[in-house]
Amino acid sequence: DVKVTQSSRYLVKRTGEKVFLECVQDMDHENMFWYRQDPGLGLRLIYFSYDVKMKEKGDIPEGYSVSREKKERFSLILESASTNQTSMYLCASHGSPTETQYFGPGTRLLVL
Amino acid sequence: QKEVEQDPGPLSVPEGAIVSLNCTYSNSAFQYFMWYRQYSRKGPELLMYTYSSGNKEDGRFTAQVDKSSKYISLFIRDSQPSDSATYLCGGGSNYKLTFGKGTLLTVNP
Repeated sequence: DVKVTQSSRYLVKRTGEKVFLECVQDMDHENMFWYRQDPGLGLRLIYFSYDVKMKEKGDIPEGYSVSREKKERFSLILESASTNQTSMYLCASHGSPTETQYFGPGTRLLVL
Repeated sequence: QKEVEQDPGPLSVPEGAIVSLNCTYSNSAFQYFMWYRQYSRKGPELLMYTYSSGNKEDGRFTAQVDKSSKYISLFIRDSQPSDSATYLCGGGSNYKLTFGKGTLLTVNP
């Protein structure tokens, strides 16, 4: 079974703090994704990475950056957290084109 | 028009009912289609995915795709309270997935 883990289930941060969300997958997948999920808005793609040190912007990259130094690990960084970044953050990985994405358990982030 | 449209519900049914969840899509480039189940405060869990038009069955779940009318359906037979969750449909092309906003289903004992 594909295993995608995220470093925290719940986080509370202050406005202006730098926030790191980490994701690790154990299936040697090349493609990894960060989404946020909000009521009424569904899943929205923030960034994705198709290889180590490679990244592409998704639909809502503003206010976020990412890092992929190792194949199994994909980090999402909020440079200066704001209250409108309060959300559920979901990481996913994707193997071959014939597969689909596998999600982690999510991190619920509250920015005060 | 959104690429994937899904009735948000909520949908409430008695235990044992047959549930039909439906989505439409507009992107003809979608190569595969999927359904995820998401329990409250958890990540989406892959339920079924398929490449072709027609039916795919897995236990009590049947996914149906009609590419000619751009329609995706999920049928749940003999629904159980443990099926209570949000169901997300989606379509994919290479590595890019597009999701509906989800349908909240409650199965009452």
